[in-house]
Amino acid sequence: DIQLTQSPSFLSASVGDRVTITCRASQGISSYLAWYQQKPGKAPKLLIYAASTLQSGVPSRFSGSGSGTEFTLTISSLQPEDFATYYCQQLNSYSYTFGQGTKLEIK
Amino acid sequence: QVQLQESGPGLVKPSETLSLTCTVSGGSISSYYWSWIRQPAGKGLEWIGRIYTSGSTNYNPSLKSRVTMSVDTSKNQFSLKLSSVTAADTAVYYCARVGYSSSSKGRYYYYMDVWGKGTTVTVSS
Repeated sequence: DIQLTQSPSFLSASVGDRVTITCRASQGISSYLAWYQQKPGKAPKLLIYAASTLQSGVPSRFSGSGSGTEFTLTISSLQPEDFATYYCQQLNSYSYTFGQGTKLEIK
Repeated sequence: QVQLQESGPGLVKPSETLSLTCTVSGGSISSYYWSWIRQPAGKGLEWIGRIYTSGSTNYNPSLKSRVTMSVDTSKNQFSLKLSSVTAADTAVYYCARVGYSSSSKGRYYYYMDVWGKGTTVTVSS
């Protein structure tokens, strides 16, 4: 099984800040990685797939990079609506897995 | 616009089988993989498995012995059965479409682009 480890697990930041979340895979997954945003009581929302491709309708302040075993999600300038929990997911093998999540809170 | 709706009992007794159905509206169920994901209260997401419209399945190894997924293309529905449930199976259960995009090199990149709102299932006597 491919394991994903996100860091940090919790992140406190202010509106306007640039933040980066890292996702590390236990083995190489090429670019088969997606990022999701989840707000309380809601289903996750797809932000990025193929490690760096922005899903239609997602603001350009979100970006993704990486390949192999290390990936990052960057929010260039935090907006109030961005405070949420973020998950990475690998879709490389026949068994998908999620990272444990990063909760982004308002400082 | 494709929409997904989970349905099924909100309460299941320990040792019994949890059964959920996801109804796809606004589009065809054909030619996609469809997934189930769950989330215990206050915890992270756990992928349960996926099914293709042909009926081909892949399951999370940790749940494989208890999971069965099926698809009914005539009703635009797919289903989840989880047997021998315990309190640890209490969670919000989501269904999702596994979308895909092909690259110039012929690779297919998958992602979960359409989600249901989720349904809460509690395992308790």
